[in-house]
Amino acid sequence: DAKTTQPPSMDCAEGRAANLPCNHSTISGNEYVYWYRQIHSQGPQYIIHGLKNNETNEMASLIITEDRKSSTLILPHATLRDTAVYYCIVRVADNAGNMLTFGGGTRLMVKP
Amino acid sequence: DTAVSQTPKYLVTQMGNDKSIKCEQNLGHDTMYWYKQDSKKFLKIMFSYNNKELIINETVPNRFSPKSPDKAHLNLHINSLELGDSAVYFCASSRGLAGIYNEQFFGPGTRLTVL
Repeated sequence: DAKTTQPPSMDCAEGRAANLPCNHSTISGNEYVYWYRQIHSQGPQYIIHGLKNNETNEMASLIITEDRKSSTLILPHATLRDTAVYYCIVRVADNAGNMLTFGGGTRLMVKP
Repeated sequence: DTAVSQTPKYLVTQMGNDKSIKCEQNLGHDTMYWYKQDSKKFLKIMFSYNNKELIINETVPNRFSPKSPDKAHLNLHINSLELGDSAVYFCASSRGLAGIYNEQFFGPGTRLTVL
């Protein structure tokens, strides 16, 4: 699996966009980028995933660089409820790919 | 309605005991999982179970065994509990095993404390 590197923590002002980076320089052509988050004392929650095109859903946007070696998760208008640990995961979309491996993630603190 | 539910939410027990954690999903998913989150907050996959096919993370001791009475349930049995088994255990499910539509839905977790 491609290893991912994320900053351990970030702060963001409420109402501002939160941009969470992830480096995955050894990503393979058939590996997807997934983002999950874990709010304190809850189970992880799926956010978004992508292969090479930018993706957007009701929760966030995912920007993947052209060389696919890094990506950025964007929360367009962060709220206090977005305070959580955000995990960037790179896996192939096959049977083994469902066995998600979570790294340390980025602890995002949204402040009033 | 809770999509993925686990019972109990908290479990405190003595070393050497055998215990079970139950998981149920009402999403109609075909695949279920168990994860362990240790005190350092690292979340690790333990098992993946789909149509009676069990995929085991090789680091999981054989004291841990998943049991699935039907597609909606995947229970976790732990024999001879050890202090190092103390952790939060999460159940999850997904629509399928292969393909890109493998968004996983997680339960609220079971905090196991072994004394």
